[in-house]
Amino acid sequence: DSGVTQTPKHLITATGQRVTLRCSPRSGDLSVYWYQQSLDQGLQFLIQYYNGEERAKGNILERFSAQQFPDLHSELNLSSLELGDSALYFCASSVGRTPGGYTFGSGTRLTVV
Amino acid sequence: AQRVTQPEKLLSVFKGAPVELKCNYSYSGSPELFWYVQYSRQRLQLLLRHISRESIKGFTADLNKGETSFHLKKPFAQEEDSAMYYCALNERNTGKLIFGQGTTLQVKP
Repeated sequence: DSGVTQTPKHLITATGQRVTLRCSPRSGDLSVYWYQQSLDQGLQFLIQYYNGEERAKGNILERFSAQQFPDLHSELNLSSLELGDSALYFCASSVGRTPGGYTFGSGTRLTVV
Repeated sequence: AQRVTQPEKLLSVFKGAPVELKCNYSYSGSPELFWYVQYSRQRLQLLLRHISRESIKGFTADLNKGETSFHLKKPFAQEEDSAMYYCALNERNTGKLIFGQGTTLQVKP
């Protein structure tokens, strides 16, 4: 157990739907990062939060949004889902504002049918 | 632009053979580089960071600024080393890690 908890582990949903992925960072870590891993695109950085505030944004679609709550857990919201959104979504956490090496969660496997 | 390149999608070796997984980077400034390993689409685990100069599971990596490389090496591959390996660069100002496309290492018996 890495200390970073992601739920759910698996999610199957239909096109056009909306889902929420949840991440609890390792105890003491203030930064949360979201990545999308697909077979053709590799690991793509989506967004980072530090202590509740958005710090960096990557290739995140407008249909996707995220937030970090006061207890530091984070949620990634994916809406108007398309088949191409099927992927593994990883959350990672680190102590400071910059990584210095992440700790990754086990990921949520999203399948859009 | 900051970039990490892993030129090989797949590297297949026999057990006991030496392994070198290539990683080249493009970064203006002093880079901070990492290697991550992913077994069977599980979570990524930090294998090495260049700052610490550790040797984990027999793997080492040396930063070569002249060649802008951070190749991962192991003198004798084991079957349990079969996994996906990602090289990553810390983009210091933004707080994100830039990953290469990954190399699948397949160690045959």
